[in-house]
Amino acid sequence: SQQGEEDPQALSIQEGENATMNCSYKTSINNLQWYRQNSGRGLVHLILIRSNEREKHSGRLRVTLDTSKKSSSLLITASRAADTASYFCATDDLDSNYQLIWGAGTKLIIKP
Amino acid sequence: EAGVTQSPTHLIKTRGQQATLRCSPISGHTSVYWYQQALGLGLQFLLWYDEGEERNRGNFPPRFSGRQFPNYSSELNVNALELEDSALYLCASSLEGSYEQFFGPGTRLTVL
Repeated sequence: SQQGEEDPQALSIQEGENATMNCSYKTSINNLQWYRQNSGRGLVHLILIRSNEREKHSGRLRVTLDTSKKSSSLLITASRAADTASYFCATDDLDSNYQLIWGAGTKLIIKP
Repeated sequence: EAGVTQSPTHLIKTRGQQATLRCSPISGHTSVYWYQQALGLGLQFLLWYDEGEERNRGNFPPRFSGRQFPNYSSELNVNALELEDSALYLCASSLEGSYEQFFGPGTRLTVL
């Protein structure tokens, strides 16, 4: 079953603007990950944030995690056309070892 | 380092036939995951193999099966194909004890 739910389902912004996507989940987790998928291709790992971390940065990416609200956000600053992709959050389930539970994704379109 | 590879890239079958999809994980990775992604949707977990054993399977009928070989490569078999089996099938691998998954480019299965 899908645990994560991304919000919004789709987002269209101008190049150079910031893009924020949110993910909510239901159970206790060890960590949360964000992945990117370019059209019809494999997913690429972006960032992993552990349950005891509140914020993490990687280049133009900033991820926050609020375990009390069971939610995470992914911020992409100074967006570029190449950021156009679908973004998925994935959480582990404490009962499922290393199996990940995936959200439905946010489709991000960056307009030049 | 070579990434996860999948073959074939595209596969066209007719309803009722069988399909075999193959995946080679990154060298040193012992876990292989299979996902189904219907057009425009999120990832649906199919199967998880680790050290040659099936660790878990998603909510799919028994006609979806697979195996993992001693070299950790894996095969997904879909019997009695139905039209709704048309999708992108993604394989991912991970290191033992790691939550991060590395994805292959996928196999696009079309059932006519």
